[in-house]
Amino acid sequence: GAGVSQSPRYKVAKRGQDVALRCDPISGHVSLFWYQQALGQGPEFLTYFQNEAQLDKSGLPSDRFFAERPEGSVSTLKIQRTQQEDSAVYLCASSSRSRDRLNTEAFFGQGTRLTVV
Amino acid sequence: AQSVSQHNHHVILSEAASLELGCNYSYGGTVNLFWYVQYPGQHLQLLLKYFSGDPLVKGIKGFEAEFIKSKFSFNLRKPSVQWSDTAEYFCAVTNYGGSQGNLIFGKGTKLSVKP
Repeated sequence: GAGVSQSPRYKVAKRGQDVALRCDPISGHVSLFWYQQALGQGPEFLTYFQNEAQLDKSGLPSDRFFAERPEGSVSTLKIQRTQQEDSAVYLCASSSRSRDRLNTEAFFGQGTRLTVV
Repeated sequence: AQSVSQHNHHVILSEAASLELGCNYSYGGTVNLFWYVQYPGQHLQLLLKYFSGDPLVKGIKGFEAEFIKSKFSFNLRKPSVQWSDTAEYFCAVTNYGGSQGNLIFGKGTKLSVKP
């Protein structure tokens, strides 16, 4: 597709439920990022993939959060046993940034708004 | 740790007024700097970026920003705003040469332009 696509756009989960959020990056983009944006805040980094390798997961808030990108394209962010504080917009971004091409921009999807009730 | 500060939480202007949104970052090394805009109900879009060279950067829709290294600032400006500029604006920085290239965002400035 022409841009980064995320699904679902909206997700309501009962506390304790597991959720999976999907990101389709721009075709050919090596780098993929997940961010969490709480209400009234800027996006905060969660994790980063270069192709299928998860090179940085330092932003994941707890071990209930797990991300994967098994074939270096589509990525899934999974949250287990959701809690109310997980309510936020989850943004995915991709870029063509690599070790040989550093000065690139990231393109963002529209995000998934997760509400935990 | 790196951080980005945006000084104004909410700015209200009338059409044709001039705009300046402040952004300061904390990292002392080489940085890449960005301004993103988020229109209501839409995704984050890049307004402009600074990687190197001329510190005065021109972006889309008449926006520009000036990188002042000595002040660790990257303020966004527009001489005359329009109602359609109503949106939230985010300043972001990434670590040049960092293997991750992840962005660190400010908290955002909501701009409301009155017609």
